[in-house]
Amino acid sequence: DAKTTQPPSMDCAEGRAANLPCNHSTISGNEYVYWYRQIHSQGPQYIIHGLKNNETNEMASLIITEDRKSSTLILPHATLRDTAVYYCIVRVAETGTASKLTFGTGTRLQVTL
Amino acid sequence: GAVVSQHPSWVICKSGTSVKIECRSLDFQATTMFWYRQFPKQSLMLMATSNEGSKATYEQGVEKDKFLINHASLTLSTLTVTSAHPEDSSFYICSARSRDGANEQFFGPGTRLTVL
Repeated sequence: DAKTTQPPSMDCAEGRAANLPCNHSTISGNEYVYWYRQIHSQGPQYIIHGLKNNETNEMASLIITEDRKSSTLILPHATLRDTAVYYCIVRVAETGTASKLTFGTGTRLQVTL
Repeated sequence: GAVVSQHPSWVICKSGTSVKIECRSLDFQATTMFWYRQFPKQSLMLMATSNEGSKATYEQGVEKDKFLINHASLTLSTLTVTSAHPEDSSFYICSARSRDGANEQFFGPGTRLTVL
């Protein structure tokens, strides 16, 4: 699976949009971009994933560049409860494959008042 | 979304004892379950992958005789830390993938093991 690079930490004011970048310059054509987050002392929580089109769900939006070498996770209105470590992971996602989620160091997002 | 539970949520044991951690998929059948370990301020490290009814596949550097994994049913996997020592103290997290073909992994809440 392709490696990812994320900034180690970011701050965001409550109510503002949090934009978390991720570089994955060696991503393969069949690899998806996944985002998970981990709130302190809890298991990771799935946020969103995409292949090449931008995606949006009730939690966040995922913007993938046209060359797919980087992406940005957007939390439109960050709250204190969004304080967590955010992991960007790229991996194969065909149905039935036994692909593994390999976690990097992630970005520690601190939302402040 | 799918729910994965772990039991216990925390455990304290004496050095040399064995500890069993259960991972259950509550509302779906999981053909594949994964076990991770996380030390303080570090990322999750995959320990092993288990498929129902077959032996687990361990990642490099993980001792299979020390970390026994059993995946006897489509809703239950167990991790037994044998002869635990203080260096085994960690946060153990399982995840499960549904048998319906979707490749999503759902994570449990984790188990904090402290070995005295």
